[in-house]
Amino acid sequence: NAGVTQTPKFQVLKTGQSMTLQCAQDMNHEYMSWYRQDPGMGLRLIHYSVGAGITDQGEVPNGYNVSRSTTEDFPLRLLSAAPSQTSVYFCASSYLGQGTNEKLFFGSGTQLSVL
Amino acid sequence: QKEVEQDPGPLSVPEGAIVSLNCTYSNSAFQYFMWYRQYSRKGPELLMYTYSSGNKEDGRFTAQVDKSSKYISLFIRDSQPSDSATYLCAMKEGAGSYQLTFGKGTKLSVIP
Repeated sequence: NAGVTQTPKFQVLKTGQSMTLQCAQDMNHEYMSWYRQDPGMGLRLIHYSVGAGITDQGEVPNGYNVSRSTTEDFPLRLLSAAPSQTSVYFCASSYLGQGTNEKLFFGSGTQLSVL
Repeated sequence: QKEVEQDPGPLSVPEGAIVSLNCTYSNSAFQYFMWYRQYSRKGPELLMYTYSSGNKEDGRFTAQVDKSSKYISLFIRDSQPSDSATYLCAMKEGAGSYQLTFGKGTKLSVIP
């Protein structure tokens, strides 16, 4: 059982480049989300989705786009990379069941550096 | 003031010690409280989850919530070197809210 799979594991971009971070889960979870983790800042929510075709903004959405065309996939797009987007990115998913999503399953992360 | 405050440590204890990790919060609407454990270069994993004030025990781990003081704790008994990790508290408002707010995490080292 693969769980939550993130690709790539490492990426280096130049300022202004665009790229897509991939996230796929095989647990049929309704809820999927993207977090960034920075030293001294903790995990911060970027975007989330409660089902195919439904997305919403989190705490730090600027500079990022998401879409959810299938239950399994939730890609994160960086439109024009900036050094401030250097971070470790985590995708997480969960069941919704009774409207709650406390038990998040995290991927192993993507370490992104923007030069 | 950030909604959730957590001492980042690092915290170093000898094997077998009792460890106490804590978070305070300011948002009285938080109703769900979680502890996640994160090993180096890995994603976090859920360790404990509580809804109401009081204690919840799972093996060597006890989660404690005091809503009146806006204070949560995680106790680890008989700590082991394998407990060395970063511990993140997380909180969420009522059902229908999908945004978890995380603390910064406390890095724990258990020395053999």
